[in-house]
Amino acid sequence: DQQVKQNSPSLSVQEGRISILNCDYTNSMFDYFLWYKKYPAEGPTFLISISSIKDKNEDGRFTVFLNKSAKHLSLHIVPSQPGDSAVYFCAASPGPQFYFGTGTSLTVIP
Amino acid sequence: DTEVTQTPKHLVMGMTNKKSLKCEQHMGHRAMYWYKQKAKKPPELMFVYSYEKLSINESVPSRFSPECPNSSLLNLHLHALQPEDSALYLCASSDPGTGGQPQHFGDGTRLSIL
Repeated sequence: DQQVKQNSPSLSVQEGRISILNCDYTNSMFDYFLWYKKYPAEGPTFLISISSIKDKNEDGRFTVFLNKSAKHLSLHIVPSQPGDSAVYFCAASPGPQFYFGTGTSLTVIP
Repeated sequence: DTEVTQTPKHLVMGMTNKKSLKCEQHMGHRAMYWYKQKAKKPPELMFVYSYEKLSINESVPSRFSPECPNSSLLNLHLHALQPEDSALYLCASSDPGTGGQPQHFGDGTRLSIL
């Protein structure tokens, strides 16, 4: 039973354009949400997070949006760069446990 | 460079072998985690240690035995594994706090069971 879902396994975007990665969750007890980036042969790297008391958090080119009523979060990357090509996992937590989505492979085309 | 160090990076073992995976962090985090990740799947939580005590065991078979000797180290002892246990094993750490703290991952140990 997947509590965190990423329905797009892959996404291709032109360099300089916006990348939008989406994530849905089912558990209303989740109160902390994160995005991780993963390159091959490396562990996931923390990118950005948001708590349930906010609906937006921004860090440089990365912005995470949270829609609690829709149980949906998204990651916007603008402008996209070739170095952003990686697998992106969203994760959600009600406490000490983190639940991960299945990942979206982003390819930024130069 | 990752702040969570896992050794070895790769491990090949037979089903009758005993081996251990090691994880070390020096960020002062008091929560440490073991995850298992199969290809094209999300990381699956195995164990959580909080303040050196096992707080969560996600019904992991006893052939996996975790150990937390101190606040910086986390081991995973392996014995009599099955071929389906072949996977990437990830260690992570975080500040347990009151929530809202990201986990920091190591690069994992790629385990192959013959």
